[in-house]
Amino acid sequence: KNQVEQSPQSLIILEGKNCTLQCNYTVSPFSNLRWYKQDTGRGPVSLTIMTFSENTKSNGRYTATLDADTKQSSLHITASQLSDSASYICVVTSYNAGNMLTFGGGTRLMVKP
Amino acid sequence: GAGVSQSPSNKVTEKGKDVELRCDPISGHTALYWYRQSLGQGLEFLIYFQGNSAPDKSGLPSDRFSAERTGGSVSTLTIQRTQQEDSAVYLCASSLIVGDSGAVWETQYFGPGTRLLVL
Repeated sequence: KNQVEQSPQSLIILEGKNCTLQCNYTVSPFSNLRWYKQDTGRGPVSLTIMTFSENTKSNGRYTATLDADTKQSSLHITASQLSDSASYICVVTSYNAGNMLTFGGGTRLMVKP
Repeated sequence: GAGVSQSPSNKVTEKGKDVELRCDPISGHTALYWYRQSLGQGLEFLIYFQGNSAPDKSGLPSDRFSAERTGGSVSTLTIQRTQQEDSAVYLCASSLIVGDSGAVWETQYFGPGTRLLVL
């Protein structure tokens, strides 16, 4: 069964600290993995997209990693800001299976001053 | 327990026809989102319903798109006069929003999607 598991489910950190969110998947065949940031009631914002051959990709203070062998991805947030408080969703796409999307449950991050 | 369900799972239609997509959210969830993902693109937000508040329609790409949510539960997304560029996976998600000391926590549960192909 195709699954995407995210951890932790929720996280509270102090402003300025770093944190790492995890995403493990069992989706096959694999096309790509996206990390999204989403505020409640808003549309998701794509942070990074990782394909099979990419190991690390950065977008400002966000750095995503992908290990296609172990089927694990992480999103590292550096020097957190209050505005980083949001849900972070990991989505794995499988084009060969009819553009199938498998969603993780998300990690809810709260950054406190 | 039942998750979010969507129907139909696949829809092939001719250009110019109207289509109606259905979403059954998880019982008790007050928030409901519609998204779409075109091939090679990321998630595109379409519309957001929250309780009895007016829906946020800011993501609807044109006036051919409309959505309603009856009785705070089932939602339908209607696309009129479909165009080929409407071909995409249309996803619905529902969530229960809880507050905690001024913060809002939400977990979205996604349906399996409706794959729409406009010929």
